[in-house]
Amino acid sequence: GAVVSQHPSRVICKSGTSVKIECRSLDFQATTMFWYRQFPKQSLMLMATSNEGSKATYEQGVEKDKFLINHASLTLSTLTVTSAHPEDSSFYICSAHISGGGSEQYFGPGTRLTVT
Amino acid sequence: SQELEQSPQSLIVQEGKNLTINCTSSKTLYGLYWYKQKYGEGLIFLMMLQKGGEEKSHEKITAKLDEKKQQSSLHITASQPSHAGIYLCGAGLLPYSGGGADGLTFGKGTHLIIQP
Repeated sequence: GAVVSQHPSRVICKSGTSVKIECRSLDFQATTMFWYRQFPKQSLMLMATSNEGSKATYEQGVEKDKFLINHASLTLSTLTVTSAHPEDSSFYICSAHISGGGSEQYFGPGTRLTVT
Repeated sequence: SQELEQSPQSLIVQEGKNLTINCTSSKTLYGLYWYKQKYGEGLIFLMMLQKGGEEKSHEKITAKLDEKKQQSSLHITASQPSHAGIYLCGAGLLPYSGGGADGLTFGKGTHLIIQP
């Protein structure tokens, strides 16, 4: 149980375009989901907290107008990278917290974004 | 400053040998997670520790959280090639409120290489 999926697993887009990444909890409901970013040979850095039915909370230094987060249902959060630039190329990973559960988080497999 | 320090940064171990990876913080850790990651891939959940002094084992991997909840160690016994990868510790730095969850802070990872 507690499976989190991400789609797509890999995406290549041109500079200036937008790309959407989906994070789904497959067998549980997740009131809260998290988006992380990982640059090569770096650790995961929390970008934002996505709360179902309300606005996302962004970490310091993360542009909310560039990284749009929508958490419209208890099983789906989306991250849209708008006007992508090569420096946005990274590995994006989401995690989900089971509604009403303990503090455990379950991670998705990640999405590799390459902006050319 | 790095809130979670992992050591060593990299480790080369001969197959069959034991090894230990450490994760240290100057702050109390709430929910200490150990994950394994192959480069460019998602995180594989290993173990979660919450209570001071807690110890968990799965197959040949044992994780411990010290009584002060500021340090954790991951010990692998009789290492195998399948153990190779990047080991990440992640932790909550805020007490779990019971309502939702907070994003995790991660260490930079320990790159483990197993030599045949």
